[in-house]
Amino acid sequence: AQSVTQPDIHITVSEGASLELRCNYSYGATPYLFWYVQSPGQGLQLLLKYFSGDTLVQGIKGFEAEFKRSQSSFNLRKPSVHWSDAAEYFCAVGRSGGSNYKLTFGKGTLLTVNP
Amino acid sequence: DAGVTQSPTHLIKTRGQQVTLRCSPKSGHDTVSWYQQALGQGPQFIFQYYEEEERQRGNFPDRFSGHQFPNYSSELNVNALLLGDSALYLCASSLLVTTDTQYFGPGTRLTVL
Repeated sequence: AQSVTQPDIHITVSEGASLELRCNYSYGATPYLFWYVQSPGQGLQLLLKYFSGDTLVQGIKGFEAEFKRSQSSFNLRKPSVHWSDAAEYFCAVGRSGGSNYKLTFGKGTLLTVNP
Repeated sequence: DAGVTQSPTHLIKTRGQQVTLRCSPKSGHDTVSWYQQALGQGPQFIFQYYEEEERQRGNFPDRFSGHQFPNYSSELNVNALLLGDSALYLCASSLLVTTDTQYFGPGTRLTVL
């Protein structure tokens, strides 16, 4: 069964500082990997995704993530955080090998940004 | 181009009642998935519909059922509501024949008293 672990429940950073949110997955083959962001009371917005190819993927809002097969990780990074980045971030894994996949999410990491 | 829409936005029910939530997929999408997000948790997959049939199901009881209409819109029905059914219910749409991303709606907040 596929699973996702986000080890950090809550992270606080200062505006302008760099950010790395951790994500580890468990899956029997190369998975589809996603990062979504959720603002309070809102739905999920896709930041970026990895299906295959280049292991460093670029997303919206200046985010990037790197797929490391040897570490079963897909960490999200941003070089300089803005106050508007404060939200909850979810890593998700989907079944590879075709469409019609379901997503398995981690429990999320809440990001607080200090001025 | 309209994204995924869900109705209602909020809903309050009492234990034992039944509820129906609605979802309209993004234009051009034919597959709808439903997720339950309890407070402080990540979304959990309930089921997925394509061609008006349930294609995949997560670990949810039969009290949770769904339907997909010919225009690809979908309903989620929950019978015999329990306090533990209080959650944000998210609908996501995608296109089956591609490895397209699932796009999420804003969700319906269900409170069971």
